[in-house]
Amino acid sequence: ILNVEQSPQSLHVQEGDSTNFTCSFPSSNFYALHWYRWETAKSPEALFVMTLNGDEKKKGRISATLNTKEGYSYLYIKGSQPEDSATYLCAFHRAARTRDDKIIFGKGTRLHILP
Amino acid sequence: GAGVSQSPSNKVTEKGKDVELRCDPISGHTALYWYRQRLGQGLEFLIYFQGNSAPDKSGLPSDRFSAERTGESVSTLTIQRTQQEDSAVYLCASSLSETDTMDGYTFGSGTRLTVV
Repeated sequence: ILNVEQSPQSLHVQEGDSTNFTCSFPSSNFYALHWYRWETAKSPEALFVMTLNGDEKKKGRISATLNTKEGYSYLYIKGSQPEDSATYLCAFHRAARTRDDKIIFGKGTRLHILP
Repeated sequence: GAGVSQSPSNKVTEKGKDVELRCDPISGHTALYWYRQRLGQGLEFLIYFQGNSAPDKSGLPSDRFSAERTGESVSTLTIQRTQQEDSAVYLCASSLSETDTMDGYTFGSGTRLTVV
């Protein structure tokens, strides 16, 4: 059974503070790791797709790192703003072009920014 | 179309009735995926289509669930004899192909199904 674990499940952060959370995934047959932001009543929106060990991606105040050998990725948000309130999903894409080709989502980290 | 479109956005149905959920992917996207999220759970994979065929139906929870896709475009997910545990947000996503997901999936806004 493939498990993608995200922690914490829920997080309350004061506006202006920085924060980070974790996605853990199997370290074998890695193909790609996706991060999505899912705001209430909207569609999940792709933030990053990461493929290389040591990869670091950035979009504005949000950045992510990837360690495929140990099976984890961190998402960082610098200077949190109210619009950052959302559920952040990570998804593990295993072994593309094989019978096991599948993308498995974690349960998400629900981030609440406190004014 | 410009994005992935799902209908209806909300559906309330009585236990035992059949429901049909529709997904219109981005034009040209050959891969289409159905997921659902039940309350307090993560996104659960149901089925994916490459073109009109479904290589992986392993996520369909029971034989009450079926899906089809025609014209490499619209897909419908049908749930027969709905049960309360079928209540969830059903999300559809598409990508250029099953192996070309470097921009990630594009999701629709989902259908919220409530079985009463």
